[in-house]
Amino acid sequence: GAVVSQHPSRVICKSGTSVKIECRSLDFQATTMFWYRQFPKQSLMLMATSNEGSKATYEQGVEKDKFLINHASLTLSTLTVTSAHPEDSSFYICSAEGGRATEAFFGQGTRLTVV
Amino acid sequence: GQNIDQPTEMTATEGAIVQINCTYQTSGFNGLFWYQQHAGEAPTFLSYNVLDGLEEKGRFSSFLSRSKGYSYLLLKELQMKDSASYLCAAMDSNYQLIWGAGTKLIIKP
Repeated sequence: GAVVSQHPSRVICKSGTSVKIECRSLDFQATTMFWYRQFPKQSLMLMATSNEGSKATYEQGVEKDKFLINHASLTLSTLTVTSAHPEDSSFYICSAEGGRATEAFFGQGTRLTVV
Repeated sequence: GQNIDQPTEMTATEGAIVQINCTYQTSGFNGLFWYQQHAGEAPTFLSYNVLDGLEEKGRFSSFLSRSKGYSYLLLKELQMKDSASYLCAAMDSNYQLIWGAGTKLIIKP
């Protein structure tokens, strides 16, 4: 089946630094990629939707200048958490869709801890 | 508004059958997904229903009633490895996924 690779799986960073998370579709072209965050015992929360070659669409309440999303190619999207704070500590998950949107393929997730 | 309801937690016995219910209210409807999520991991796809009825896939089956805004995931012959959270998600008219909070399933020997 289709595979989406996300890395790093875990990252610890200091407050004020930036962290980049990569999401790659390995065997299909992802026209659309989604970025979610998940707090413990809570639902997945959509942060933004990115389409290749265009600006990401952010959900209400998500700061676009803080969470920079780049979808430069059909197989790669990146999420950069800028000037990270402890409250940004969370589980970040990407998912990708190809031509048929009946199934979204998820990356492995990235656990970010900001100290 | 858009809303997904599913029980917070369920407990079942190894070898038994369990049914996890999900009700949804969305602006338009383009299908209902079930995902399994083990602690600390990303969700993995289990099933997709867009037509009424039961879809069977091995030990797992998923049912949908569009008129009732209702779905369930049926797990048979439960195994200890089935202990996980099960997420229900409905796709609205804009093809956005609306997620439930998940049902934590605890399997006891």
